[in-house]
Amino acid sequence: QSVLTQPPSASGTPGQRVTISCSGSRSNIGSNTVNWYQQLPGTAPKLLMHTDTQRPSGVPDRFSGSKSGTSASLAISGLQSEDEAHYYCAAWDDSLSGLVFGGGTKLSVL
Amino acid sequence: QVRLVQSGAEVREPGASVRVSCKASGYTFSSHYIHWVRQAPGQGPEWMGVVNPTGKSTSYAKPFQGRVTMTRDTSTSTAYMELTSLSSEDTAIYYCTRDPLPFQRYNRFDPWGQGTLVTVSS
Repeated sequence: QSVLTQPPSASGTPGQRVTISCSGSRSNIGSNTVNWYQQLPGTAPKLLMHTDTQRPSGVPDRFSGSKSGTSASLAISGLQSEDEAHYYCAAWDDSLSGLVFGGGTKLSVL
Repeated sequence: QVRLVQSGAEVREPGASVRVSCKASGYTFSSHYIHWVRQAPGQGPEWMGVVNPTGKSTSYAKPFQGRVTMTRDTSTSTAYMELTSLSSEDTAIYYCTRDPLPFQRYNRFDPWGQGTLVTVSS
């Protein structure tokens, strides 16, 4: 059972907009910033979003992040087939004194 | 470009230890925190801990305290993670990764090494 809760799956058709949620608590998302990682099949995770809403250089502006209270979201607009991957949220947890990940969401592009 | 290249796959028996290496290139190794994250088959990532730029300070996740040691060698730009008392539950891909801003620890990971598969089996 992960400390951060994500839906196990999400899907959309090319061109659609999808949103992936990440629910936590006051000790993690409520107190610290959220980062998102994209993991393509058979590869290492890649930083997709940091500090709740900031895109690293090279990440398309189709990806956006938001946070409110103890929940965060990753939105992908103009869905493309290459977006098919697992997505993980992560945040520091003050109670655990450790970095916690969500269980991951597998995004399928139909 | 910034690269982290890890050592190859390992197979160990239960009770044994394993050491994974992570060689950095393309940046000033002694300026950045190095984290270790593992991912069991079909599971999400799990943070194991971090070593500071000088190697003199570490912080380990509670599940691994007493069993993990993270070190670094500035002369070879290589970081190491040793895990002892292995069990089948330690079978996973182990990744090294970097906090991208020099001397800052934001617990943000970019880039990641290619991963090292550690299999624990009798």
